[in-house]
Amino acid sequence: DIQMTQSPSTLSASVGDRVTITCRASQSISNWLAWYQQKPGKAPKLLIYKASTLESGVPSRFSGSGSGTEFTLTISSLQPDDFATYYCQQYESYVLTFGGGTKVEIK
Amino acid sequence: QVQLVQSGAEVKKPGASVKVSCKSSGHTFTNYGVSWVRQAPGQGLEWMGWISADEVNTKYAQKFQGRVTMTTDTSTSTAYMELRSLRSGDTAVYFCATDRMMNWNYPDISDIWGQGTMVTVSS
Repeated sequence: DIQMTQSPSTLSASVGDRVTITCRASQSISNWLAWYQQKPGKAPKLLIYKASTLESGVPSRFSGSGSGTEFTLTISSLQPDDFATYYCQQYESYVLTFGGGTKVEIK
Repeated sequence: QVQLVQSGAEVKKPGASVKVSCKSSGHTFTNYGVSWVRQAPGQGLEWMGWISADEVNTKYAQKFQGRVTMTTDTSTSTAYMELRSLRSGDTAVYFCATDRMMNWNYPDISDIWGQGTMVTVSS
């Protein structure tokens, strides 16, 4: 299975900060990468797919980049609603895998 | 509006089986596959497997091969996930989620999720 490694596991930031989360794949996945946001007690929400395509309705402060094995999720100006845990997921193979998650906390 | 509604919480003893349901509405059920994802308390997301809505294709994570069965009932637009030989490590919230794009051959990312079903395994 393709392993996905996210960093950092926890990130402390303030409202208005620019935040970057990294996701690395154990082998090339081209651009078959998605990002999800999850809040406590809720189901994940799809933010970005194909590494950089914003899902409909997702604010433009979210962006994704990368290809091959290294990817980033950037929040250009952190808002109060953005404090949550973020997961990457690869879908290059027929067995999908998630990264371990990055919790974005209030500083 | 597409919606997935899952069955209620379950408490099971070690060695037992659990079957979670996921009823879909708002789209043509047979056009979209369903993935199952679980999340242990305080832990991350774990993809368990996927089934095409026409039940022709399934893909399971190696970890669950032989212990999980995913099925669908197109007459009621419902997907099911059965996990057998439960152990304490299976205590988790189990989510169903539908493919973002129509396809019948391989798992896709998910844009619509159920509310989750808590399964507790305890003696």
